[in-house]
Amino acid sequence: ILNVEQSPQSLHVQEGDSTNFTCSFPSSNFYALHWYRWETAKSPEALFVMTLNGDEKKKGRISATLNTKEGYSYLYIKGSQPEDSATYLCALPDYGGSQGNLIFGKGTKLSVKP
Amino acid sequence: NAGVTQTPKFQVLKTGQSMTLQCAQDMNHNSMYWYRQDPGMGLRLIYYSASEGTTDKGEVPNGYNVSRLNKREFSLRLESAAPSQTSVYFCASSVEPADSGNTIYFGEGSWLTVV
Repeated sequence: ILNVEQSPQSLHVQEGDSTNFTCSFPSSNFYALHWYRWETAKSPEALFVMTLNGDEKKKGRISATLNTKEGYSYLYIKGSQPEDSATYLCALPDYGGSQGNLIFGKGTKLSVKP
Repeated sequence: NAGVTQTPKFQVLKTGQSMTLQCAQDMNHNSMYWYRQDPGMGLRLIYYSASEGTTDKGEVPNGYNVSRLNKREFSLRLESAAPSQTSVYFCASSVEPADSGNTIYFGEGSWLTVV
């Protein structure tokens, strides 16, 4: 099964700080990478699907980059707000495993203090 | 704006009891999924259905059965619940399989405790 690593496991920042975290994955046989935002007691919400090396995606103050050759993606949050507090998950298709399966990392839990 | 709806939201079961988690989506998606989320673990796929009438095992299928009743509905059954099945369960759907780069849309989760 594909190994998807996210770091750090948790992050505490002050309101207004910019922050970033990492998703690492095997660089061979890449197809797509998904980023999700998950607030406790709510549904995980899709942020981005990235497929091309060098891809950059942006949604408001959140952006993501992708390097498939070295096997990592960064998620950036500019000027963090308390409502950004959530767990951010990345996921990749499970090649050679169950069709349709995404392998999820354990997530980075972000807490933003007012 | 229902999206993916799953019930019940909370359930406490005794060991050995059976129950069914219901899931329905109104987005006309072909693919549906059941995941479980445990502390310190990523979301793990239990079962997957590419289309009506087909189901496939995921990473952790033991102790579960599923039924893709029609295009909208995908249920998960615990025949004889065990404490190891205490978890948060998420139903999800996508237009086509997620390994094709399609976004998965999740329900709000069902918190199950087996005592």
